[in-house]
Amino acid sequence: GDSVTQMEGPVTLSEEAFLTINCTYTATGYPSLFWYVQYPGEGLQLLLKATKADDKGSNKGFEATYRKETTSFHLEKGSVQVSDSAVYFCALSFTQGGSEKLVFGKGTKLTVNP
Amino acid sequence: KAGVTQTPRYLIKTRGQQVTLSCSPISGHRSVSWYQQTPGQGLQFLFEYFSETQRNKGNFPGRFSGRQFSNSRSEMNVSTLELGDSALYLCASSLSGRAVYEQYFGPGTRLTVT
Repeated sequence: GDSVTQMEGPVTLSEEAFLTINCTYTATGYPSLFWYVQYPGEGLQLLLKATKADDKGSNKGFEATYRKETTSFHLEKGSVQVSDSAVYFCALSFTQGGSEKLVFGKGTKLTVNP
Repeated sequence: KAGVTQTPRYLIKTRGQQVTLSCSPISGHRSVSWYQQTPGQGLQFLFEYFSETQRNKGNFPGRFSGRQFSNSRSEMNVSTLELGDSALYLCASSLSGRAVYEQYFGPGTRLTVT
């Protein structure tokens, strides 16, 4: 079945460092791809999405490009802040029963130190 | 606009007991999905309700059940609790459930089974 593999954490960076969190997927069709963020004590928030190959999703300085040839959707940010400390989930969607469902990676915990 | 609310936020139960969790969606949203989040398995889809009907179901045993009321509020029930049911249970609501990027997540209910 469809699946998502993302790099294991935790990841610890200093403020203003460059961030990359790797994500690859396996899917039979052409899924949409997502990055979600979960701040401590909160639910998941959609960070960005891409619905087709070569699309680039971006939000709050984060970017990810849908690479069909490498089945990847790596998350990047040029300069992280302490407030970016959270758990990041890569996910893909598939349609079943007339509605979309999500398959998540296991999450990568990011800690940014001042 | 109020977000998705889940009650209770924390719960401790004993093995063999049953538990009911509640989710109130954003006003006007008719689809409610439930997810289980554990360190080992990550985020897994439980089921989705739309207009009081279960529309999709994940791969969980029959001990996990749910329902949705006419006001779109949803409950999930876990009977005969096992230690492995300890998890964060998240619900997400959307207008139609047809596009996952429409989903808004609640903060979750942390269930601990002892």
